[in-house]
Amino acid sequence: QVQLQESGPGLVKPSETLSLTCAVSGGSISGYYWSWIRQPPGKGLEWIGYIYYSGSTNYNPSLKSRVTISLDMSKNQFSLKLISVTAADTAVYYCARAKDGQLAPYKYWGQGTLVTVSS
Amino acid sequence: DIVMTQSPDSLAVSLGERATINCKSSQSVLFNSNNKHYLAWYQQKPGQPPKLLIYWASARESGVPDRFIGSGSGTDFTLTISSLQAEDVAVYYCQQYYNTPRTFGQGTKVEIK
Repeated sequence: QVQLQESGPGLVKPSETLSLTCAVSGGSISGYYWSWIRQPPGKGLEWIGYIYYSGSTNYNPSLKSRVTISLDMSKNQFSLKLISVTAADTAVYYCARAKDGQLAPYKYWGQGTLVTVSS
Repeated sequence: DIVMTQSPDSLAVSLGERATINCKSSQSVLFNSNNKHYLAWYQQKPGQPPKLLIYWASARESGVPDRFIGSGSGTDFTLTISSLQAEDVAVYYCQQYYNTPRTFGQGTKVEIK
């Protein structure tokens, strides 16, 4: 059973960089698309983007100028960097994997990690 | 972007009664090549990640009770909980995976009346 676990700082100062890692266990990164999705407190879900195991990426245009998703095959993990954060980036950040293929729903989710942007 | 609009924002249903949630996409999410609608439904309980219930608009994910029924076509979709149980109290989201950016509905909160 695939399991995902997010990790990273829970507090980031405005204008700084948010960095999170998602560790994948129970399966390989190879062959799949790996995504980040966020949810501001009390609000809905926003797709941030994905990375394919080959390294190709696709980002939400609303965040594209600030986002980088990368992966580390040797550690079976992938990462999110979001630069120049503001209070609007405060959210629970989830890593997720689609069921199978590129055009597929999200079957596997991490538990989520709350990142607060505040000085 | 494909905009997903759910209705209602919240609803209260008596135990054992039917709950119906609607989702409308701003454009079709049907791939003509395979005649599948790229539409999923998720359930999210407080403090938990979303859980996949339905995909291809009407296919039930393994382990999901058969009281959860997905239907619809074109741009209009429905999630029906045929007999509401206490454990079904949650927020439900629809999502399109037809193209990027992937987009979700705003969510519908289901409570017990």
